[in-house]
Amino acid sequence: GNSVTQMEGPVTLSEEAFLTINCTYTATGYPSLFWYVQYPGEGLQLLLKATKADDKGSNKGFEATYRKETTSFHLEKGSVQVSDSAVYFCALRPGGSYIPTFGRGTSLIVHP
Amino acid sequence: GAVVSQHPSWVICKSGTSVKIECRSLDFQATTMFWYRQFPKQSLMLMATSNEGSKATYEQGVEKDKFLINHASLTLSTLTVTSAHPEDSSFYICSARGTEVNQPQHFGDGTRLSIL
Repeated sequence: GNSVTQMEGPVTLSEEAFLTINCTYTATGYPSLFWYVQYPGEGLQLLLKATKADDKGSNKGFEATYRKETTSFHLEKGSVQVSDSAVYFCALRPGGSYIPTFGRGTSLIVHP
Repeated sequence: GAVVSQHPSWVICKSGTSVKIECRSLDFQATTMFWYRQFPKQSLMLMATSNEGSKATYEQGVEKDKFLINHASLTLSTLTVTSAHPEDSSFYICSARGTEVNQPQHFGDGTRLSIL
């Protein structure tokens, strides 16, 4: 079946530090990959996506590259801000389906 | 961009009452809407998928008589938690997608349900 594995949090960083949140997946075929962000008390917002191997999704300084050889889609940001504190969910959507599978989420806490 | 509005954002009620949560797509026609439940510090659990004008498809283990879903129009779906009990307390999130192929889901801001 399809599954998404994320590193456990919380990830605690100081402002301007480099961020990596690991995400690996298991899927048949060629899924699309997503990162969603959930701010406290809110729903999910799509942060970035990649639809095929070697694609790089980017938004708001965050990046993730679709690595088929390592089945990974790690989220990175060069310099985090306090306002980036949130829970980040990695997700995949199998080809031909519109129902995503989510990882468990990784909480990011950024201190001033 | 596409916006999904969910209402109410927070509800507290007594055990035994029924609670209705609305999910509206504001600037697109949502042929499919999804209802998720999120437990603290856990991922989203898909409860059901609903298509406009037809019965919802529930995931295994979700009681359809407990969680009534109605998708009466292309812009509105409702989730009714019937005879709610404290164990139903959770964060419920809806999402919607339009008609275009490969269009992503757009999520509402969620509803925090607390049953006393």
